[in-house]
Amino acid sequence: GAGVSQSPSNKVTEKGKDVELRCDPISGHTALYWYRQSLGQGLEFLIYFQGNSAPDKSGLPSDRFSAERTGGSVSTLTIQRTQQEDSAVYLCASSQHTGTNYGYTFGSGTRLTVV
Amino acid sequence: GQNIDQPTEMTATEGAIVQINCTYQTSGFNGLFWYQQHAGEAPTFLSYNVLDGLEEKGRFSSFLSRSKGYSYLLLKELQMKDSASYLCAVRDFNAGNNRKLIWGLGTSLAVNP
Repeated sequence: GAGVSQSPSNKVTEKGKDVELRCDPISGHTALYWYRQSLGQGLEFLIYFQGNSAPDKSGLPSDRFSAERTGGSVSTLTIQRTQQEDSAVYLCASSQHTGTNYGYTFGSGTRLTVV
Repeated sequence: GQNIDQPTEMTATEGAIVQINCTYQTSGFNGLFWYQQHAGEAPTFLSYNVLDGLEEKGRFSSFLSRSKGYSYLLLKELQMKDSASYLCAVRDFNAGNNRKLIWGLGTSLAVNP
């Protein structure tokens, strides 16, 4: 697509429920990133996918968080047994894998509220 | 370790010039990015520097000094719509991979009439 698409744009869930967040990157972008941004905080790296390589999961805050990327395109971030501290904006970004001057293109994010 | 510092808040007047500074300490360096983020929106790419010097793009310019670990974003002829958070990010080739950026917390710029 023309841009990075994320869905849903807003999600309110009850504590303890599981949620799935979806990201559809720009066509042809082989790198895909998930970040989390809490109110007034910086961007917190969660996970990175590059082509068929094993993902870099070093930023996932707990084993309740997982992500997959199917067919090198769409990615799903799953949060199990949500907690109130999971409330944040979850941003997805994609980039081309070659060249060093390519920044990220971000999606509009999913605002997750755990009540 | 890795650290990126930028001022938390700045205020400027419409039509004026403002400079937002960013200093970084990383074990490796392979480029510095500036992003703009309006409230409630996603960050958007503004500029990229990998060599020392000034990169100009319309009203916005970005400067880099690798020896000093320093960059600034210069905004000229400020407009009300420039009120936003400005994020500095560094690509550190020692950060596990060559394409993961290290992000500052952002500088919130308020442009007043």
